[in-house]
Amino acid sequence: GAGVSQSPSNKVTEKGKDVELRCDPISGHTALYWYRQSLGQGLEFLIYFQGNSAPDKSGLPSDRFSAERTGGSVSTLTIQRTQQEDSAVYLCASSLGGLQPNSPLHFGNGTRLTVT
Amino acid sequence: SQQGEEDPQALSIQEGENATMNCSYKTSINNLQWYRQNSGRGLVHLILIRSNEREKHSGRLRVTLDTSKKSSSLLITASRAADTASYFCATDALNTDKLIFGTGTRLQVFP
Repeated sequence: GAGVSQSPSNKVTEKGKDVELRCDPISGHTALYWYRQSLGQGLEFLIYFQGNSAPDKSGLPSDRFSAERTGGSVSTLTIQRTQQEDSAVYLCASSLGGLQPNSPLHFGNGTRLTVT
Repeated sequence: SQQGEEDPQALSIQEGENATMNCSYKTSINNLQWYRQNSGRGLVHLILIRSNEREKHSGRLRVTLDTSKKSSSLLITASRAADTASYFCATDALNTDKLIFGTGTRLQVFP
């Protein structure tokens, strides 16, 4: 079956513009994660959705960042008024979450965001 | 802040040699997972070890976990050039499914 799909794969935007990044998780996966990875660095946790529970937004770096997950499936990460330090690869992952505790994460290939 | 720290940051070895990567974390955990990332790609799950386990094997991979020291190691035996990638540990703190990743080890295996 299809894996986690992210779009666009690359996005170049001007400083100050808003961007939307999309993630289509694996069908049936109740948990969805967003991470940010700067060049050559580890993964920085941003936000976590689990079923119908309130999302864990503790990793969002500022109020310019927001995310939603509609119908428990597709998720959109929005960055408003982008800054150059927002340039990174944004990775989405999904898992069976509470349906199968300790289930592994399945990652998309990420969206490479460049803010000029 | 990240939960895990890994060392070394980078490791270069010859094919056939073993590669050992270490991960330390800060809080009590339910389990620890190791992932691999090829350049420009997403991460791929390798192996999971539960907090009540001390050692686990999967093919050429051997993972150990020492909860008293809050540390884990990943051993890749008889390495191959195709093992060249970055390797990350990830932990979920107690009472949460949120998975936090370490800083990663970049492994280069020369043919």
